Amino acid sequence: AQRVTQPEKLLSVFKGAPVELKCNYSYSGSPELFWYVQYSRQRLQLLLRHISRESIKGFTADLNKGETSFHLKKPFAQEEDSAMYYCALLLKTSYDKVIFGPGTSLSVIP
Amino acid sequence: GAGVSQSPRYKVAKRGQDVALRCDPISGHVSLFWYQQALGQGPEFLTYFQNEAQLDKSGLPSDRFFAERPEGSVSTLKIQRTQQEDSAVYLCASSLAGLAITYEQYFGPGTRLTVT
Repeated sequence: AQRVTQPEKLLSVFKGAPVELKCNYSYSGSPELFWYVQYSRQRLQLLLRHISRESIKGFTADLNKGETSFHLKKPFAQEEDSAMYYCALLLKTSYDKVIFGPGTSLSVIP
Repeated sequence: GAGVSQSPRYKVAKRGQDVALRCDPISGHVSLFWYQQALGQGPEFLTYFQNEAQLDKSGLPSDRFFAERPEGSVSTLKIQRTQQEDSAVYLCASSLAGLAITYEQYFGPGTRLTVT
């Protein structure tokens, strides 16, 4: 069955420290993964997608098919990174159906 | 350049009441999704429209839930005889995507439904 797991509900790090938000997936097809972010009192928005191999706001994520993981990383956390982060998996159906993980709340301590 | 809008933003309903939640997608967006987000959870897929066609309603939790998009733009999610377990944030998202093309989903602010 297709599934996205994020083992940490809450993660606290100090400003300037590295941060890693974990995401694992279960999918029989070729995975396409995303990270969405929701800042306080804002709507859910796309942060990055693995096919773009991009770095957004200093965040990167590498797809590891062997470990079925797509962890989100940033070398130096900033206070403005505090938010809810959701890992998401695209299912290769006839349309772009996406399933979301339960989310990790990141708190960056000044 | 308005984004996706949803109304009402908050709705309190007594158990057994019917509610209707509205979504205005970004103009020209073919795809429209509804999600249910319970407290402390990620968004859970409810249903998908491509223009006016409802192509997937596999996520609707019961026959009390009904969605429509009659003219391929505005969509309404209706919940009949609301129950306490229906309390959640209902998110709408739209995208340019047609069949099997990956585009970003743009989310609305959500409607927080509380059933008392």
